[in-house]
Amino acid sequence: RKEVEQDPGPFNVPEGATVAFNCTYSNSASQSFFWYRQDCRKEPKLLMSVYSSGNEDGRFTAQLNRASQYISLLIRDSKLSDSATYLCAVNNVNTGNQFYFGTGTSLTVIP
Amino acid sequence: NAGVTQTPKFRILKIGQSMTLQCTQDMNHNYMYWYRQDPGMGLKLIYYSVGAGITDKGEVPNGYNVSRSTTEDFPLRLELAAPSQTSVYFCASSQGLGRGGSGNTIYFGEGSWLTVV
Repeated sequence: RKEVEQDPGPFNVPEGATVAFNCTYSNSASQSFFWYRQDCRKEPKLLMSVYSSGNEDGRFTAQLNRASQYISLLIRDSKLSDSATYLCAVNNVNTGNQFYFGTGTSLTVIP
Repeated sequence: NAGVTQTPKFRILKIGQSMTLQCTQDMNHNYMYWYRQDPGMGLKLIYYSVGAGITDKGEVPNGYNVSRSTTEDFPLRLELAAPSQTSVYFCASSQGLGRGGSGNTIYFGEGSWLTVV
């Protein structure tokens, strides 16, 4: 079973739309959770950490559901510049501080 | 801010050749990682290190070797390159929990594009 599962998409949405991505993880002992953004032919870059109480950064809202073992990312009022691949990641410090990544969800925002 | 630096950025290898991908970080992170990323396949962990002198296998270690003689450097060696090793390689580092600062996030280098022909 994969450590992290993520719908690969692609998601094609018009500007201004709201789009949500979900990710599930298999290890209930995972401690830290993140969303990364990856542009074409670039490295992944941290978008936001995900906290148990949920957290918001401008148009982006991340949530964690430990009971169901999933994390989500909501993007409101999508911009053309949001077009990228979004990867969820989970971390377990008990296994050498390894980070496990989903395969990524491709988002294209259409004018 | 240098962060994680990888070299080379692009390389073409012939089957059977060997090479080393260099990686260095200037953030004094204990943890370092090598991932490969194939199209549509996500990031797969090759090797990781929890500190100088300590390395361990990840999900896909076959055909690769690493060393960690210093905190800063974590080179990845490809022995006897094969077409299946054509990929994008990312080196990364993280601080670890309980160390304050920006928290336990992972930072990536810009990637090394390797083609084996």
